[in-house]
Amino acid sequence: DGGITQSPKYLFRKEGQNVTLSCEQNLNHDAMYWYRQDPGQGLRLIYYSQIVNDFQKGDIAEGYSVSREKKESFPLTVTSAQKNPTAFYLCATSGLSDEPQHFGDGTRLSIL
Amino acid sequence: QKEVEQNSGPLSVPEGAIASLNCTYSDRGSQSFFWYRQYSGKSPELIMSIYSNGDKEDGRFTAQLNKASQYVSLLIRDSQPSDSATYLCAVNMGERGSARQLTFGSGTQLTVLP
Repeated sequence: DGGITQSPKYLFRKEGQNVTLSCEQNLNHDAMYWYRQDPGQGLRLIYYSQIVNDFQKGDIAEGYSVSREKKESFPLTVTSAQKNPTAFYLCATSGLSDEPQHFGDGTRLSIL
Repeated sequence: QKEVEQNSGPLSVPEGAIASLNCTYSDRGSQSFFWYRQYSGKSPELIMSIYSNGDKEDGRFTAQLNKASQYVSLLIRDSQPSDSATYLCAVNMGERGSARQLTFGSGTQLTVLP
């Protein structure tokens, strides 16, 4: 079954805790992206990666970290430095041509 | 700052009517344009992509692009209640052929009334 798998669907973070959101794809796409969406707003880019072992900051990278150790996986860590982490987090993938991005089902993160 | 602006909603149309959604963008060099539909609580799904000036039709959906006016629109013909969703305009403001660094508008909420 091809696609983009994000897990977990819901996640709760305690004060001072780091949490990691998973994104796995079997589409053989080179590029992967993390977005954050707040209620009633569009998507804002956190980080993106075009190739294994390389990634770039997006518009709102502060308080987040990523890794790209293999092509299929692009996990996002929300660190304790991110003071307002409550949001809907979306992972997307695309090829490196003019192909559009496609999204996983998202992870909803809340603070306990 | 690179921006994508969408007409503020919510937009309500009766079933069977044409819904018109508009989007303007700030970067004149933008090459790729996308419309996504997002149902409440769900992730965005791609409806249309358009790269050249003019119209592109796919079923009940038509995307229109005017690069000189920095304007892209989405028309939905014969609107159905199932079209009720938020529509996101996304513009690639990076180099063509590079990873798609999309800038999203804040979305227009469409309600189709039965």
